[in-house]
Amino acid sequence: AQTVTQSQPEMSVQEAETVTLSCTYDTSESDYYLFWYKQPPSRQMILVIRQEAYKQQNATENRFSVNFQKAAKSFSLKISDSQLGDAAMYFCAYRSAFKAGTASKLTFGTGTRLQVTL
Amino acid sequence: DTEVTQTPKHLVMGMTNKKSLKCEQHMGHRAMYWYKQKAKKPPELMFVYSYEKLSINESVPSRFSPECPNSSLLNLHLHALQPEDSALYLCASSPGISYEQYFGPGTRLTVT
Repeated sequence: AQTVTQSQPEMSVQEAETVTLSCTYDTSESDYYLFWYKQPPSRQMILVIRQEAYKQQNATENRFSVNFQKAAKSFSLKISDSQLGDAAMYFCAYRSAFKAGTASKLTFGTGTRLQVTL
Repeated sequence: DTEVTQTPKHLVMGMTNKKSLKCEQHMGHRAMYWYKQKAKKPPELMFVYSYEKLSINESVPSRFSPECPNSSLLNLHLHALQPEDSALYLCASSPGISYEQYFGPGTRLTVT
């Protein structure tokens, strides 16, 4: 079974600074997808960024980028120019590539709560 | 329309009540999901519907009964719940079961 570990329960960053959230995972599969979801106090889970394991290039979405190290099974999220609206719980998630009955399961990490200070 | 909606936002019910949670999406997605999330924990998958058929049931107690009347609508019928069932219930949808999931805002359920 796959596991996802987020070793930082809480992180803090000053506005306009850069912060990196860590995520490691364990799998024996070679083809899979990784995601970062953001859950602000409003509770809605918002997809921040996705990475396909077969792509070597790191995904980027505006101020959000990932550092995907497949051999090390590491998938960290970098937030640049942090804004107050970035304050939220961030979940790292893993999903296998399509196999009947399994592709729909997201395996989540325990989350990292990010505080953004002035 | 790029959102998943859920009603109600909040629900308080007694252990003998019957209530339903509703989830709707108009993105043409063919897979829909129910998750349960306890405070400060990640979401836990409960059910998956693919093309309006139940695809996955994660050994959820029978007091939770899902229903998918059509491709846009997903219900979760609740009956004889326990206080430990109090949680945030999240609905999600995806274009198919091999695509990323988009979540609704959730229903905060309290069982008294």
